[in-house]
Amino acid sequence: TQLLEQSPQFLSIQEGENLTVYCNSSSVFSSLQWYRQEPGEGPVLLVTVVTGGEVKKLKRLTFQFGDARKDSSLHITAAQTGDTGLYLCAGVDSNYQLIWGAGTKLIIKP
Amino acid sequence: DTAVSQTPKYLVTQMGNDKSIKCEQNLGHDTMYWYKQDSKKFLKIMFSYNNKELIINETVPNRFSPKSPDKAHLNLHINSLELGDSAVYFCASSHRGGWNTEAFFGQGTRLTVV
Repeated sequence: TQLLEQSPQFLSIQEGENLTVYCNSSSVFSSLQWYRQEPGEGPVLLVTVVTGGEVKKLKRLTFQFGDARKDSSLHITAAQTGDTGLYLCAGVDSNYQLIWGAGTKLIIKP
Repeated sequence: DTAVSQTPKYLVTQMGNDKSIKCEQNLGHDTMYWYKQDSKKFLKIMFSYNNKELIINETVPNRFSPKSPDKAHLNLHINSLELGDSAVYFCASSHRGGWNTEAFFGQGTRLTVV
């Protein structure tokens, strides 16, 4: 069974601080996606990384795909209260199925 | 226009009842999914349909029966509801195939069994 492990499961920090969320697996993925879920809503795609070693930036968010395409990280610089939410990673396997991590619940305090 | 819509948004019902959740997508996608998100926020796939055909059926009690009348609809019927069925159920859709299999989610249905 393919698994994606996210860490930490829960993170609460002050506005302005930096943070990194990790998504790790022993399996290789065709691509890896990061979603953000706000309370009462479904997850929404933030970014897809495809190539090993790829780095993508979305304003203050930096996403990296590991060289071996087994892991990924999300780094947020100068976190804002609007970044609060549940961050989910999902790997696309060889059958084009989405394998989901459990999520990291992020709270940014003012 | 809502891309993936599911109804109802909230559902409170007694143990033993039968209930249905409806899902419709207007994105022209060929694949639809049902996910269950429990209180710990784990997102677990339950079913996946491609062009009205079942392609994934995870270990889900047979009290749960999906029905896809056409590519744009995937409904979920649950018989003999149990307390442990309480969770948020998400419908999603995507194009099947390729590294860019982005899932679009509905708003979720919060099911509470009392």
